[in-house]
Amino acid sequence: GIQVEQSPPDLILQEGANSTLRCNFSDSVNNLQWFHQNPWGQLINLFYIPSGTKQNGRLSATTVATERYSLLYISSSQTTDSGVYFCAVADDKIIFGKGTRLHILP
Amino acid sequence: DTGVSQNPRHKITKRGQNVTFRCDPISEHNRLYWYRQTLGQGPEFLTYFQNEAQLEKSRLLSDRFSAERPKGSFSTLEIQRTEQGDSAMYLCASSLGVEFITEAFFGQGTRLTVV
Repeated sequence: GIQVEQSPPDLILQEGANSTLRCNFSDSVNNLQWFHQNPWGQLINLFYIPSGTKQNGRLSATTVATERYSLLYISSSQTTDSGVYFCAVADDKIIFGKGTRLHILP
Repeated sequence: DTGVSQNPRHKITKRGQNVTFRCDPISEHNRLYWYRQTLGQGPEFLTYFQNEAQLEKSRLLSDRFSAERPKGSFSTLEIQRTEQGDSAMYLCASSLGVEFITEAFFGQGTRLTVV
């Protein structure tokens, strides 16, 4: 099955810093999503991005499907950005990476 | 549309008891997925439905687990003879999809604690 690897596993940054989270996947996919898991466990949709680049406020994402990776950029980090970020890819079913734990220090 | 809804939000049960969780997907979505997530891990795929047909089950889904989606609407996940290792967050998601999957949306999850 498809393997999804996220890096780094953990990231600690000062408020105001920028960050880049990476997602590598092992095979062609027709769907890629980025999620933020809130402290109560709910997965919040950030981007649906099978290819190309999208931006939403301080967040943006780029997927290069031919090279099998996606990047999530967070600019001017805020403490509320803390949490776990998941990349998930799909062919038939949705497969998750292990996530990146982001901790933004005030 | 109120999104994907899961009930109950929390369930505490004694080892050996049976439990059932419900998921109501977004109404026009034909695909429904179940996942399990333990502390510090990413969600792990359990099973998925396309309409009422259960198309794939993970090896994680032992014979104590059963899922149904009658009439292709809501779905239930039942765990029989619960064990402490079943303690986890159970997540449900829905999407559109036949040959490829559109954006999936998740419910708030059901947190199961087996004591």
